[in-house]
Amino acid sequence: AQSVTQPDIHITVSEGASLELRCNYSYGATPYLFWYVQSPGQGLQLLLKYFSGDTLVQGIKGFEAEFKRSQSSFNLRKPSVHWSDAAEYFCAVGPPYNTDKLIFGTGTRLQVFP
Amino acid sequence: DGGITQSPKYLFRKEGQNVTLSCEQNLNHDAMYWYRQDPGQGLRLIYYSQIVNDFQKGDIAEGYSVSREKKESFPLTVTSAQKNPTAFYLCASRGQGAPGNEQFFGPGTRLTVL
Repeated sequence: AQSVTQPDIHITVSEGASLELRCNYSYGATPYLFWYVQSPGQGLQLLLKYFSGDTLVQGIKGFEAEFKRSQSSFNLRKPSVHWSDAAEYFCAVGPPYNTDKLIFGTGTRLQVFP
Repeated sequence: DGGITQSPKYLFRKEGQNVTLSCEQNLNHDAMYWYRQDPGQGLRLIYYSQIVNDFQKGDIAEGYSVSREKKESFPLTVTSAQKNPTAFYLCASRGQGAPGNEQFFGPGTRLTVL
């Protein structure tokens, strides 16, 4: 069955520290991959996406993600976290050429301490 | 500014009443979506529409209904048949054309059924 797993429900980091949020997927083919961020009580904002090509993808707000086919992973990274990065992060996958039916992970809540 | 609006932001209803959530977009997107978000469960697709006057059920359509009479609008009705309607509801849209275009999200409506 197709699925997305975000193993970490809650992560706490200090401001200025590096960050890695994990995302693993189970899919028949290489899917399209997305990372979204959600502030409390708000909608989702796209951080970055991967369709093909270079496996290291740059996004907004200084985030990047690396697609690793052998590990079925698409982990999100940021070298230095800012207090404003505190939010919930969702990984999503969709079938190639048709992103109508995205499958979302359950999210990782990021808390940032000063 | 182009975007997606959802109204109202907070909605309270008595059990047994139908309620309609509004979603409007001025992005000229063909596809629109409704998701339900519950704590710890990520986003689940309720209905989606790829074109005016056509829509498809998502993973959790029971107890919900939609219409798509205009390209800009995709209202969701939560009927009394929905057993547990209290949730955060998100509307999204996507432009057609390039494969795998991402979904853009509205700010959401929090529905509480008393």
